[in-house]
Amino acid sequence: DTGVSQDPRHKITKRGQNVTFRCDPISEHNRLYWYRQTLGQGPEFLTYFQNEAQLEKSRLLSDRFSAERPKGSFSTLEIQRTEQGDSAMYLCASSPGTGLTGGNTGELFFGEGSRLTVL
Amino acid sequence: AQSVTQLGSHVSVSEGALVLLRCNYSSSVPPYLFWYVQYPNQGLQLLLKYTSAATLVKGINGFEAEFKKSETSFHLTKPSAHMSDAAEYFCAVSRSGAQKLVFGQGTRLTINP
Repeated sequence: DTGVSQDPRHKITKRGQNVTFRCDPISEHNRLYWYRQTLGQGPEFLTYFQNEAQLEKSRLLSDRFSAERPKGSFSTLEIQRTEQGDSAMYLCASSPGTGLTGGNTGELFFGEGSRLTVL
Repeated sequence: AQSVTQLGSHVSVSEGALVLLRCNYSSSVPPYLFWYVQYPNQGLQLLLKYTSAATLVKGINGFEAEFKKSETSFHLTKPSAHMSDAAEYFCAVSRSGAQKLVFGQGTRLTINP
């Protein structure tokens, strides 16, 4: 299967601990997105990368959140000092992205998500 | 800024009945519009997309949507519901193919036998 993969699928942690999620995009896609989804809500944009460059971060992304894509392939999302309000599904998506000014139709390909529960 | 409003967080129809899921958007520029579906314990899948070509867009599984600029709407329809259509449906908007998607809150579709 060559879709977007995320790991781990489920993570239960205690408040105050750090957690890290990994996303492997579709191999030929140079754009990678992170979204957060809480129960009964649509996905909320967190950040995205064009290759290794982080081009946009949402104001939702507090200082405790950091994302990296060091070699323009996989990405990690780290949450430090987790709080109960961080409990959510963290979604990763990728897209072809033919350049900074676009040229693709914007379709995102999503992984199955990483569910975080903070106790 | 772009935004999407989905009218009705929960829609219930009988099997074989018409499905209509409503989506209104706000955009300062011509939008790209999308419908995604999320089945339980699965990732979001693209149903269909509008990218400034034909205003009536056909997608997978018999779904279609019509872009109406005058009404700023992009409602999703299916003539005859099937039990397998039960899922969460999300409308999304972007400014162009290079921009992030902004999602609505979703509509949960239930199909009654």
